[in-house]
Amino acid sequence: AQSVTQPDIHITVSEGASLELRCNYSYGATPYLFWYVQSPGQGLQLLLKYFSGDTLVQGIKGFEAEFKRSQSSFNLRKPSVHWSDAAEYFCAVGGVNFGNEKLTFGTGTRLTIIP
Amino acid sequence: DGGITQSPKYLFRKEGQNVTLSCEQNLNHDAMYWYRQDPGQGLRLIYYSQIVNDFQKGDIAEGYSVSREKKESFPLTVTSAQKNPTAFYLCASTPGGRGGGYTFGSGTRLTVV
Repeated sequence: AQSVTQPDIHITVSEGASLELRCNYSYGATPYLFWYVQSPGQGLQLLLKYFSGDTLVQGIKGFEAEFKRSQSSFNLRKPSVHWSDAAEYFCAVGGVNFGNEKLTFGTGTRLTIIP
Repeated sequence: DGGITQSPKYLFRKEGQNVTLSCEQNLNHDAMYWYRQDPGQGLRLIYYSQIVNDFQKGDIAEGYSVSREKKESFPLTVTSAQKNPTAFYLCASTPGGRGGGYTFGSGTRLTVV
């Protein structure tokens, strides 16, 4: 069965500081990996995704993530955070099985930005 | 612009009532999903549908029902059998089978009063 672990429930960083959100996954084959962001009371917006190829993927809003197969990780990074980055972040893993695409989500990491 | 529309944004249910949450998409996506979100628990899959007139139970289907009569629409009914329905409900869609990830609606917050 596929699963995702986001070990950090809540992270606080200063505006302008760098950010890394951790994500570990379990999946039986080559996974599709995603990071989503959610503002309070809103739906989820896709930040970036990894299918294959270059293990460092770039996303929107200046985010990037690195796929490390040996560590079963897909950590999200940003060199310098802005106050508008405060939100909840979800990692997801999945694949296409018999034409069905099904994602499993982690429990999320809430990011707080302090001045 | 194409997207997913969920309505209403807020919904209140009395004990013993059934309520229906609407989800409509104009993305021409084949597959649609319903998730429930509770604090600290992430997203849990309720039902999903890959094609019209077909749907499958997810991990927490008890107390919920769905229909898929049109490609664009995937309404979710929260029945009186669902004992703890207060939650944030998210609808999502994907083209189906291409690994592109989901597009989400803006959600419906259901509260039992």
